[in-house]
Amino acid sequence: NAGVTQTPKFRVLKTGQSMTLLCAQDMNHEYMYWYRQDPGMGLRLIHYSVGEGTTAKGEVPDGYNVSRLKKQNFLLGLESAAPSQTSVYFCASSYSAGPYEQYFGPGTRLTVT
Amino acid sequence: AQSVTQLGSHVSVSEGALVLLRCNYSSSVPPYLFWYVQYPNQGLQLLLKYTSAATLVKGINGFEAEFKKSETSFHLTKPSAHMSDAAEYFCAVIINDYKLSFGAGTTVTVRA
Repeated sequence: NAGVTQTPKFRVLKTGQSMTLLCAQDMNHEYMYWYRQDPGMGLRLIHYSVGEGTTAKGEVPDGYNVSRLKKQNFLLGLESAAPSQTSVYFCASSYSAGPYEQYFGPGTRLTVT
Repeated sequence: AQSVTQLGSHVSVSEGALVLLRCNYSSSVPPYLFWYVQYPNQGLQLLLKYTSAATLVKGINGFEAEFKKSETSFHLTKPSAHMSDAAEYFCAVIINDYKLSFGAGTTVTVRA
């Protein structure tokens, strides 16, 4: 099993450009999450999904959109990138709610100039 | 809102010495608590978790953590540090739902 994979691994955008980050999991997990990691702030939840076709806002959703058209995929979109969105983005998935482990992807390092 | 506080953003230990990473949570109900480790340029990996089954939780790579309700703490320890323990460690909490709330992280360096 590949677990959780993320595409791309690195990206540089200019302010105002758009892009989509792809997350895929092969563990048949219902729940999927997008986090951003910034120095000294831990990981903060952007959006999450509790099943195919569902999405919900997390702690820092502004400037991002998501879609979960297939159970195994969770897409994160930036419609108009801003320098404040320079960060490392992690996708995660879990079997269910509560004490279930979240499995993390390797991350995407995004720089917006 | 539930949250976690990690005391100390950086910890430096000698190889073979005790590793102690501190985590305190704020909650009025019993939480689910986790410790994750992040090696350089990698994603997060679960070290251990507390789900109310036992207050002393053993994890991978020789780490363990003790849940102390009276102190609202879930400190992580390892008796003898190894060079391979150099990483960033995150404490996290889930209460009443499935969203993880992370602490700011503690970076561990191990001196030879």
